[in-house]
Amino acid sequence: GAGVSQTPSNKVTEKGKYVELRCDPISGHTALYWYRQSLGQGPEFLIYFQGTGAADDSGLPNDRFFAVRPEGSVSTLKIQRTERGDSAVYLCASSLIATDTQYFGPGTRLTVL
Amino acid sequence: AQRVTQPEKLLSVFKGAPVELKCNYSYSGSPELFWYVQYSRQRLQLLLRHISRESIKGFTADLNKGETSFHLKKPFAQEEDSAMYYCALITSGTYKYIFGTGTRLKVLA
Repeated sequence: GAGVSQTPSNKVTEKGKYVELRCDPISGHTALYWYRQSLGQGPEFLIYFQGTGAADDSGLPNDRFFAVRPEGSVSTLKIQRTERGDSAVYLCASSLIATDTQYFGPGTRLTVL
Repeated sequence: AQRVTQPEKLLSVFKGAPVELKCNYSYSGSPELFWYVQYSRQRLQLLLRHISRESIKGFTADLNKGETSFHLKKPFAQEEDSAMYYCALITSGTYKYIFGTGTRLKVLA
């Protein structure tokens, strides 16, 4: 079956603009995670969904970042008033249940000019 | 705070030589530890997790709670092992990975 997919693969935007990043998890996976990976760093946790609800959003850096998963499948990460420091690869992962192995998508590379 | 440390950014070895990628963690409870690998132009994928006690692609890792380490080892490196390796930790009661900064392994012919 298909793995986790993320769109777009690349996004270039200007400082101050709004962006949306999409994640399609593996079908049937109830848990979904967002991570951010800056250059030279490992992925850093942003938020975790169990079903439709955000079970842990402790990694969101500030209130410009928001994520939704309205039907318990696809998730969208939304960033308002983007800043140059938001430039990174945004990774999505899903797992069948929360304690299971997380499967990662290919990531979206966000560049804020 | 919980942390994962991978002290080497780059490790170069010759084909057939033994490999050890170091990983140390700081966490006072019972951790669950993983190694993830990212081959060139591919996504991050699980290599092994300590509770499985498996050997994947010839790699093994043993959790040493006394030294708070989870080093990844392979007795004979192969060129196809060249990749970026990340050590990760999950703490009790959470489901989020805490990743190290990664080690790039280059296996030279």
